[in-house]
Amino acid sequence: ILNVEQSPQSLHVQEGDSTNFTCSFPSSNFYALHWYRWETAKSPEALFVMTLNGDEKKKGRISATLNTKEGYSYLYIKGSQPEDSATYLCASPIRDSQGNLIFGKGTKLSVKP
Amino acid sequence: EPEVTQTPSHQVTQMGQEVILRCVPISNHLYFYWYRQILGQKVEFLVSFYNNEISEKSEIFDDQFSVERPDGSNFTLKIRSTKLEDSAMYFCASSLGRDNQPQHFGDGTRLSIL
Repeated sequence: ILNVEQSPQSLHVQEGDSTNFTCSFPSSNFYALHWYRWETAKSPEALFVMTLNGDEKKKGRISATLNTKEGYSYLYIKGSQPEDSATYLCASPIRDSQGNLIFGKGTKLSVKP
Repeated sequence: EPEVTQTPSHQVTQMGQEVILRCVPISNHLYFYWYRQILGQKVEFLVSFYNNEISEKSEIFDDQFSVERPDGSNFTLKIRSTKLEDSAMYFCASSLGRDNQPQHFGDGTRLSIL
């Protein structure tokens, strides 16, 4: 059974701090790893889809790394801003499925001005 | 940028009643999904739909649930006889491809069963 875990559950940082959080997943039968940003009352928004071990992707101040051998991905936010406050979800598709995603519980980030 | 749209944003229904949740996926997308999140829990996969038929469904998606894509644009989720435990946020998503393409989500429908 594919189980995706995220830590920490919540994080409170000051504006300007850099932060990171973790997504872990079974390394066997790995296919891909998705990161989404989910603001309250909005739809989850895709940040990255990562597939290769050692992959590193960047979007503005947000970046992510992937280690498929040990089964984890890190999401980094450099110089957090209040608008970065959201829940960050990671998800992995079930191998040989039609892309059905199994989600972690998310990390809720609050950035204080 | 094209969006996935869902209606209604909030639905309140008596237990035992039928509900239909509606979604308009992005027009050139090929894969369609329904997920739900019960308050405080993980987002859970319900069903995937491709080539005008259900591809896969989870254990949650029992005989009370059905999906349709009646006219090539709408994608609906029907719950025939709602139960209290069906109260959740229901998300529709669509994608251009399978595993390596991001899924685009709607804003969700909050379903409250009384």
